[in-house]
Amino acid sequence: EAAVTQSPRNKVAVTGGKVTLSCNQTNNHNNMYWYRQDTGHGLRLIHYSYGAGSTEKGDIPDGYKASRPSQENFSLILELATPSQTSVYFCASGEISAETLYFGSGTRLTVL
Amino acid sequence: AQKVTQTQTSISVMEKTTVTMDCVYETQDSSYFLFWYKQTASGEIVFLIRQDSYKKENATVGHYSLNFQKPKSSIGLIITATQIEDSAVYFCAMREASSGSWQLIFGSGTQLTVMP
Repeated sequence: EAAVTQSPRNKVAVTGGKVTLSCNQTNNHNNMYWYRQDTGHGLRLIHYSYGAGSTEKGDIPDGYKASRPSQENFSLILELATPSQTSVYFCASGEISAETLYFGSGTRLTVL
Repeated sequence: AQKVTQTQTSISVMEKTTVTMDCVYETQDSSYFLFWYKQTASGEIVFLIRQDSYKKENATVGHYSLNFQKPKSSIGLIITATQIEDSAVYFCAMREASSGSWQLIFGSGTQLTVMP
């Protein structure tokens, strides 16, 4: 069974602070993704990666950086967090040939 | 531009009945993939069913089936014999074959409540 683990599950940050959301997958998938979920918008793609050392911009990358130091790990970094980044963030992994993406359980981020 | 629209924000049905959730999509690609996901109360996102644009037969998995109407750019999800556990938010999503990655475009979701 595909496994994608996110940490932390919940995070409260202050405006202007740095936030790092972590994701680990044990599927040996090359591709990993970060989505955010907001009411009325469904999920939207922030950044993705084709493998270790690569990151690509998704549909809403502004204010976010990503890092893929290894096959298993993919981080989302908010250098200067703002209240508009309060959201639920989902990491996912999957090969393009697979039937679907596999999602983590999500991280709820609140920026005060 | 790609777009996925779910106009039903919430639906309530009685247990053991059939429900249909609507979804329309926009794409310029001739090849694309359509998905339905379920988000449980705990927030977990679960894959339910998929329809590839080149397939004419509607996909069916368990008590989930699709009503794919390509000329109308529509992909409805049908749940038969609904159960209380089907209460959740259902998302429709699309991936264009030309994207080369899992760049899913999601609809805004439909909240389904199944009542006893």
